[in-house]
Amino acid sequence: NAGVTQTPKFRILKIGQSMTLQCTQDMNHNYMYWYRQDPGMGLKLIYYSVGAGITDKGEVPNGYNVSRSTTEDFPLRLELAAPSQTSVYFCASTGPDSNYGYTFGSGTRLTVV
Amino acid sequence: AQSVTQPDIHITVSEGASLELRCNYSYGATPYLFWYVQSPGQGLQLLLKYFSGDTLVQGIKGFEAEFKRSQSSFNLRKPSVHWSDAAEYFCAVGFTGGGNKLTFGTGTQLKVEL
Repeated sequence: NAGVTQTPKFRILKIGQSMTLQCTQDMNHNYMYWYRQDPGMGLKLIYYSVGAGITDKGEVPNGYNVSRSTTEDFPLRLELAAPSQTSVYFCASTGPDSNYGYTFGSGTRLTVV
Repeated sequence: AQSVTQPDIHITVSEGASLELRCNYSYGATPYLFWYVQSPGQGLQLLLKYFSGDTLVQGIKGFEAEFKRSQSSFNLRKPSVHWSDAAEYFCAVGFTGGGNKLTFGTGTQLKVEL
């Protein structure tokens, strides 16, 4: 059981470039989340989804977009990358069978130069 | 809006000593409370959670936490710390409904001296 899989693990982007961070879960969880983690700031919610076809903004959505076409996949799109988007990004999922405890992926470390 | 405060940024304890990590929350209703641990370069792993009932909850790796409504606290404890417990610990508060979103504290970095 793979849990939550994130790719890539590391990426360097130039200012203005775009990329998609991939997230896949195999636990049939309906809820999925994207967080960013910055030193001393904890985790901030970017976007979340309560099921396929439904997404909503979190605390820090500017500069990002998401889609949820299937239960398994929840990609995060960065358009026109900026240095402020340098961070570690975590995808997480949960569902009723997990008593709402999140399962996290191992993260993507993104640097924008 | 809900919020979580972890007042200790860094804590150092000796191996074998007891540990208490503090967590205070702000939320208008009965919260759902969680503790997660993050080892270097890894994602977060759930240690324990409180939904309702017994205010002392047991988790993995010998950790426990106590919910004190009067103090709006959910402190994490371990009677005897092992060197492998060195990591960053995050407290989180959430509620069912509204996407089951969690609000995380800023974390406490635990160092264990041998």
